Amino acid sequence: KAGVTQTPRYLIKTRGQQVTLSCSPISGHRSVSWYQQTPGQGLQFLFEYFSETQRNKGNFPGRFSGRQFSNSRSEMNVSTLELGDSALYLCASSLEPVGELFFGEGSRLTVL
Amino acid sequence: GDSVTQMEGPVTLSEEAFLTINCTYTATGYPSLFWYVQYPGEGLQLLLKATKADDKGSNKGFEATYRKETTSFHLEKGSVQVSDSAVYFCALTDPRGNTPLVFGKGTRLSVIA
Repeated sequence: KAGVTQTPRYLIKTRGQQVTLSCSPISGHRSVSWYQQTPGQGLQFLFEYFSETQRNKGNFPGRFSGRQFSNSRSEMNVSTLELGDSALYLCASSLEPVGELFFGEGSRLTVL
Repeated sequence: GDSVTQMEGPVTLSEEAFLTINCTYTATGYPSLFWYVQYPGEGLQLLLKATKADDKGSNKGFEATYRKETTSFHLEKGSVQVSDSAVYFCALTDPRGNTPLVFGKGTRLSVIA
């Protein structure tokens, strides 16, 4: 079956703009998690959603937000982009919150 | 809070060499432990896991044993191949699912022929 699909794969924005990233989980998976990956900080947890409800939130400023739709697809939004937001944003899905995480290939964001 | 510490890379080995990547953790209770692998240009894949003390996870020739007494989960492989070149992440989570997966910073492995 199809894996986790993230769009877009690559994007370039300028400081002050906003961006929306999309994640389609594996069919039947109801839990979606988002991570930010950078060379300096490694993988940092952003949010986790299950059945349209945010279960956990990482230590990121309010400019980072997310949501999950009734079909389990998820989006995350970053407003007022800063240079430090340049990163690979990874989405992962699982059947349930305690299940094995399956990762997408990521959306690589570059902020100029 | 919970944390994972991995040996820093990069690690460069010749084909057929023995691999060890050290991982230690700090957590309350009895976390579940994982190794994920990220091949170039791809997302992370679960490599192996262990959910209780003395469990050994294994997959594709890789092994790791959950050592509660030393709070460690070192990854080993007896004979690496060029195709094993990737970044390896150690991770833990509360088995009740109350906290998200916490990752180490990753160790880049390069295997040369």
